[in-house]
Amino acid sequence: QQQVKQSPQSLIVQKGGISIINCAYENTAFDYFPWYQQFPGKGPALLIAIRPDVSEKKEGRFTISFNKSAKQFSLHIMDSQPGDSATYFCAASSGGTSYGKLTFGQGTILTVHP
Amino acid sequence: GAVVSQHPSRVICKSGTSVKIECRSLDFQATTMFWYRQFPKQSLMLMATSNEGSKATYEQGVEKDKFLINHASLTLSTLTVTSAHPEDSSFYICSASAGLGAFFGQGTRLTVV
Repeated sequence: QQQVKQSPQSLIVQKGGISIINCAYENTAFDYFPWYQQFPGKGPALLIAIRPDVSEKKEGRFTISFNKSAKQFSLHIMDSQPGDSATYFCAASSGGTSYGKLTFGQGTILTVHP
Repeated sequence: GAVVSQHPSRVICKSGTSVKIECRSLDFQATTMFWYRQFPKQSLMLMATSNEGSKATYEQGVEKDKFLINHASLTLSTLTVTSAHPEDSSFYICSASAGLGAFFGQGTRLTVV
């Protein structure tokens, strides 16, 4: 199974709150898990990525938590800001052509209210 | 680093004509590039993998004769939508691998009228 399932479909958070987006996968060959942020009419921008050998990775306000046994990973956005309002995609790769071949989740529309 | 530039950002063409979209890696060499298609409020669907100096690899269900891909150099891949029809209207996005990860172009909004 190549799918990556993402939830929730949409998320509304108050400014300063924590945004949490979850993804689950089936293919145990996946070993690279990036998160992308996309604004309307633009291409996705790489936010943060993780490999299965670690359970957590933090970069600024963004943290990925990874649970290998459950085949789940999540993105946490701390101190969410209105400028974070965008669509977020999780993705996974099994190393095809240097991890460029990605399977995407369905996306989460995040709205951060001021 | 790892900048991918895509051109044009928007194009409107008449039904039956062909449209070429360019994808360039500006500060690195990319032996492999990828082309995705995205419908409104939906996820990205991989169309094909573009390999420098060889034929592209198409995903199941993608018509290779309609979506022609050429990867003539280490920094340029092109996607040509041939004999475009309104149902080809979509957002097309390219990406390229740079080390560990893929970086995306700005996307091209194609409208076929």
